[in-house]
Amino acid sequence: QVTLKESGPVLVKPTETLTLTCTVSGFSLSNARMGVSWIRQPPGKALEWLAHIFSNDEKSYSTSLKSRLTISKDTSKSQVVLTMTNMDPVDTATYYCARMVISHTYYDFWSGYLSGGWFDPWGQGTLVTVSS
Amino acid sequence: DIQMTQSPSSLSASVGDRVTITCRASQGISNYLAWYQQKPGKVPKLLIYAASTLQSGVPSRFSGSGSGTDFTLTISSLQPEDVATYYCQKYNSAPLTFGQGTKVEIK
Repeated sequence: QVTLKESGPVLVKPTETLTLTCTVSGFSLSNARMGVSWIRQPPGKALEWLAHIFSNDEKSYSTSLKSRLTISKDTSKSQVVLTMTNMDPVDTATYYCARMVISHTYYDFWSGYLSGGWFDPWGQGTLVTVSS
Repeated sequence: DIQMTQSPSSLSASVGDRVTITCRASQGISNYLAWYQQKPGKVPKLLIYAASTLQSGVPSRFSGSGSGTDFTLTISSLQPEDVATYYCQKYNSAPLTFGQGTKVEIK
């Protein structure tokens, strides 16, 4: 059974850096056909994809948040870590990690070969509030 | 970046009705599209990938179609347990954008 679980602070102050950990089980982060993404959802609003990472350490980031995000993984611990700098109240959201099932590979001029796919399953999510 | 636009943003239909949700990409994305269902207070769940392939365990009343820029999610006979917000997501290339969601309610 594949499961993912997010962990991290429930409250951060403006300008602080958020660090979230996704611990996975039921699949390996070294599986070439899988990856892990982070997705967030502000209260009452739509889903927003943030970043993903794959077994070969390939990474992609949201265009609008790229300067603030870093994704990394520790395969031995089955963990994927997302850091987001300079947190603001508008970043208040439920943060999900999800397994990405790779559908295909494509070539990006700036980043080389990347992968695309769908998200299944998702973690339970963790609500992060940004407030002083 | 390619934008994903869903319509309508919300709808209300009767049990047994046929419901159709559309998702339009601002550029062609072949069939690299997934649909998710998010019930109130719950985690999103994959319904369909590759525009029309039903995920295992999803009821057959759900179906997807389309290619290029225009896609549809159809519920052939709406059931009370289908009350949820539905999202499309493109995955042809990063960024992996979601639509803004369509909220489905029972009339």
